[in-house]
Amino acid sequence: AQSVSQHNHHVILSEAASLELGCNYSYGGTVNLFWYVQYPGQHLQLLLKYFSGDPLVKGIKGFEAEFIKSKFSFNLRKPSVQWSDTAEYFCVTVSGGYQKVTFGTGTKLQVIP
Amino acid sequence: NAGVTQTPKFRVLKTGQSMTLLCAQDMNHEYMYWYRQDPGMGLRLIHYSVGEGTTAKGEVPDGYNVSRLKKQNFLLGLESAAPSQTSVYFCASRQGQGAEQYFGPGTRLTVT
Repeated sequence: AQSVSQHNHHVILSEAASLELGCNYSYGGTVNLFWYVQYPGQHLQLLLKYFSGDPLVKGIKGFEAEFIKSKFSFNLRKPSVQWSDTAEYFCVTVSGGYQKVTFGTGTKLQVIP
Repeated sequence: NAGVTQTPKFRVLKTGQSMTLLCAQDMNHEYMYWYRQDPGMGLRLIHYSVGEGTTAKGEVPDGYNVSRLKKQNFLLGLESAAPSQTSVYFCASRQGQGAEQYFGPGTRLTVT
C-alpha cells in the first residue's frame, strides 16, 4: 500500500534558522506531490506542488521543495524561518489511476522568537 | 466563491446517536473527500467520491457512510456514534487529476 513518511514529528527552531522537513513515499509509479500547511486553528492550505518538470519547486512564503525520484523523497526547505511559520506541515501524494490521496502524519514546527 | 464549507462547525453527541455532516463546494469540482484528523496520525481518508452519484471507501471507512447525490454536496453520516469517532473532520474537493485539494474549515465532533 502507498505510504508517506515524515520522520520529524516535532521540530523546534529559532527565528532565522534554516528548515528542512523530510518526506519519503513508497509508490513506484507516477505520483503528484504536495506540501500543505495548517496554522493553529485553521484549515489546510497548499504550500507547493510537484507534477513534472523542474524537480525544484518554489511555493508561497519562501518555501521550496526538491523532488528526488531515486530517493522517493520530496523534502521541504526554507532558508530562514519566521515565528509566523509555526504550524503543522503535511506531505501528501496523489497516485494511481484512482488518484489515491495519502497524507503523511505531519510535522509540527515551532519557531521561537 | 465560498469555496468549501462544512456544517456544523462543532457537535457533541452521545454514544449511539446519529448525525450527518454536510460538505458543500461551489467550484464545480469532481472529486470530494472526507478525512478525520487525530493527533499524531495526520489526516486519514474516510470516503471519497470521484463524481456525482459515486462513492468509494478510503483508509478508515468503518462506522461511516457517505452520499453524493448532488455534485456540490458530499454528506458524511455516522449511524451510531462511538467515542472512537471523536475527531476533527475535514472535507476537501478538487477538480481533477493532479489538481490541488481545497479544504473546508473542519468540524470538531466529540462523542461522549
